[in-house]
Amino acid sequence: DTGVSQDPRHKITKRGQNVTFRCDPISEHNRLYWYRQTLGQGPEFLTYFQNEAQLEKSRLLSDRFSAERPKGSFSTLEIQRTEQGDSAMYLCASSRGLAGLNTGELFFGEGSRLTVL
Amino acid sequence: DAKTTQPPSMDCAEGRAANLPCNHSTISGNEYVYWYRQIHSQGPQYIIHGLKNNETNEMASLIITEDRKSSTLILPHATLRDTAVYYCIVRVGGNYGGSQGNLIFGKGTKLSVKP
Repeated sequence: DTGVSQDPRHKITKRGQNVTFRCDPISEHNRLYWYRQTLGQGPEFLTYFQNEAQLEKSRLLSDRFSAERPKGSFSTLEIQRTEQGDSAMYLCASSRGLAGLNTGELFFGEGSRLTVL
Repeated sequence: DAKTTQPPSMDCAEGRAANLPCNHSTISGNEYVYWYRQIHSQGPQYIIHGLKNNETNEMASLIITEDRKSSTLILPHATLRDTAVYYCIVRVGGNYGGSQGNLIFGKGTKLSVKP
């Protein structure tokens, strides 16, 4: 399978604990996005990487959230001191960044569902 | 905020065409109309996009009105596996990253295909 993969698919944690999600994008894609989706809502943008550079962060990304993409390949999203309001599906997406080859299509993974008790 | 308006839900009989409307009255000249769908417990999946001409691919057809203020996604022969939430999104097309390349999702239309 050469699609976007996310790990773990499900995570249950207690309030106050730290959690980390991993995203492996499609190999030739240099752009990587993180989204969050709560029940009944559409996905909301969190942050975006071009290669290893984090170029944009949403106001939704509080200080407890940190995302990295150290080698421009996989990315991690860490949530520190989790709160019940952090319970959501965390989606990763990737896309090409080459001019002329990018139709604007984002390829999404299946998401990592977080439940904070 | 999303720049599109969609009905919250629709039903369609299996084998019939599903026509999903979308209003985007404030669309700019350089913005494309994109459609994605999200099947339960999966990530969103790209369907189709267009600027002003009607588009067709193996999944669906996209009809955009001449004034570009609305569009319709057509699934010609809906199956049970087409049951999903369908999102209509407008954004600048092509090679952009960050907020320009970002997708701003609304709540979409929940399509239920019934046997």
